[in-house]
Amino acid sequence: DTGVSQDPRHKITKRGQNVTFRCDPISEHNRLYWYRQTLGQGPEFLTYFQNEAQLEKSRLLSDRFSAERPKGSFSTLEIQRTEQGDSAMYLCASSLGDREAFFGQGTRLTVV
Amino acid sequence: QKEVEQNSGPLSVPEGAIASLNCTYSDRGSQSFFWYRQYSGKSPELIMSIYSNGDKEDGRFTAQLNKASQYVSLLIRDSQPSDSATYLCAVVFGNEKLTFGTGTRLTIIP
Repeated sequence: DTGVSQDPRHKITKRGQNVTFRCDPISEHNRLYWYRQTLGQGPEFLTYFQNEAQLEKSRLLSDRFSAERPKGSFSTLEIQRTEQGDSAMYLCASSLGDREAFFGQGTRLTVV
Repeated sequence: QKEVEQNSGPLSVPEGAIASLNCTYSDRGSQSFFWYRQYSGKSPELIMSIYSNGDKEDGRFTAQLNKASQYVSLLIRDSQPSDSATYLCAVVFGNEKLTFGTGTRLTIIP
């Protein structure tokens, strides 16, 4: 197992289109996090799962964002009707409970 | 609202000196504390974890935790230009989500 994997690494989309990102966590990790990060800011929490259960979703997140982790393994993050303000780096991390979390390489989204 | 606070910097330190980075958090019940290093355009990389009061050393890095005062710090000894990065403090409040500070930008001056 080589760590957390995210796909795609880069995505350019037109405003109004839907996009979906995938995250494959470290295999024995039961927690999976999604964060968004813009230049000069710390990672902003979006949502997290413990196994297949989505435990929390940021109140700042609009209904255009949805995430799933159907079998407690990989996760997808979908953004519907993208806006220019959605342009950011989307980061996935996984951990075993409250222990160390490891990040994937991120997906950089550009909405034009 | 449970928060993690860091001085955003930038912090400039001469090469070979000790860099000291500080972080405070809002919940006394927190159990897990982490420091991440992030280079520009890259994802965060875990460099230290600490779970109990006191110091934890790993090479040139030392993490210090004081739960009574609700702060955690990171010391980098013999600073190198490659240490120039943004350092993120992160806390798991109770058994909840991993929450990050905004990061401190560190520059090592040759």
